[in-house]
Amino acid sequence: EAQVTQNPRYLITVTGKKLTVTCSQNMNHEYMSWYRQDPGLGLRQIYYSMNVEVTDKGDVPEGYKVSRKEKRNFPLILESPSPNQTSLYFCASRPSQANYGYTFGSGTRLTVV
Amino acid sequence: KQEVTQIPAALSVPEGENLVLNCSFTDSAIYNLQWFRQDPGKGLTSLLLIQSSQREQTSGRLNASLDKSSGRSTLYIAASQPGDSATYLCAVILNKLVFGAGTILRVKS
Repeated sequence: EAQVTQNPRYLITVTGKKLTVTCSQNMNHEYMSWYRQDPGLGLRQIYYSMNVEVTDKGDVPEGYKVSRKEKRNFPLILESPSPNQTSLYFCASRPSQANYGYTFGSGTRLTVV
Repeated sequence: KQEVTQIPAALSVPEGENLVLNCSFTDSAIYNLQWFRQDPGKGLTSLLLIQSSQREQTSGRLNASLDKSSGRSTLYIAASQPGDSATYLCAVILNKLVFGAGTILRVKS
């Protein structure tokens, strides 16, 4: 089944403890991105990647890092999480051609205390 | 800067009713437009993708239209069911997705 898989689904952590949220897709998509969803603010892009070793900032990149060493994986790294990063996170992918739509993962609910 | 607006913010209808959700965007220079459904606390499920050269797309009881010149898209749901209750999001596709705030739909049985 074609899908985007995120792990973990739920995570509670403490301020300052480094964490990684993994994202993997099995559709050979070139483009991958991360979004966060917050009440009243909607979905906002954090980082995106056009292909392997090519990443760029989205609208709200502060406090996050990403890497794209392999085509299928696009992990989101929080080096020193803070409570304002408590949110619902989504990974998405699509082919490089702009005519195709996006496939989203099931989301990761992160709580930073 | 592209902005996407969805109206209404919330909608409650009795089962069986046909309904229309509206999406407007400020810049017509879009690649495509995609409608999603989101159940509470869950991920986004793609419903329909309309390419910029298309006027509409249909899938089952759903029909989405796109009018780039006026910056509008509509999602038509026929014969609504309680299982259609969810938040519906439209997103315009540029080099990224720009989302509207969504319409919360409740279909009462």
